[in-house]
Amino acid sequence: RKEVEQDPGPFNVPEGATVAFNCTYSNSASQSFFWYRQDCRKEPKLLMSVYSSGNEDGRFTAQLNRASQYISLLIRDSKLSDSATYLCVVTVKSSGDKLTFGTGTRLAVRP
Amino acid sequence: DAGVIQSPRHEVTEMGQEVTLRCKPISGHNSLFWYRQTMMRGLELLIYFNNNVPIDDSGMPEDRFSAKMPNASFSTLKIQPSEPRDSAVYFCASRRLDYSYGYTFGSGTRLTVV
Repeated sequence: RKEVEQDPGPFNVPEGATVAFNCTYSNSASQSFFWYRQDCRKEPKLLMSVYSSGNEDGRFTAQLNRASQYISLLIRDSKLSDSATYLCVVTVKSSGDKLTFGTGTRLAVRP
Repeated sequence: DAGVIQSPRHEVTEMGQEVTLRCKPISGHNSLFWYRQTMMRGLELLIYFNNNVPIDDSGMPEDRFSAKMPNASFSTLKIQPSEPRDSAVYFCASRRLDYSYGYTFGSGTRLTVV
């Protein structure tokens, strides 16, 4: 079983739509959680951290459910520029805070 | 700040040849990571260094892969001999040990072994 699992998509949505991505992780000792964004042929970049209380950054909302070992990302009012692959990432303190990535969910926003 | 610098950006080599990938971390970052990305397996950690010392190399596929960090500003990942299944994008990332959120990735090296 992969440590971090995501639906690979692609999610194909119209501009203005709301889209949600889900992610599950297997290691209950996971301590920090992130969503990264990766554009085609580019490096991954941090989109936002995920906290137990949930957090919002503009049109983006991230949620963490430790009991279910589940992370989500909600994008409201999708823009064409949101088209990218979204990577769910966790770290485990005992493993030196190294990032463990999901394989990513691809989003395509159409006009 | 120049960011994490990787070279070369693209490398095409023949099976059996030696390949060396290079990385210059951000000045002041004392933790360095090598990742490999393929369509099938996504991003996988190969090895990471803290203060130039290899900490975890459990992700290195086999003895054909080796990595070094001779000083705080330079690291190499070597594949010898290379095989077609090594074709992937190799990313280097760095961060400060005391700031676990602050990863910065380089632009990657796209390796094709024919």
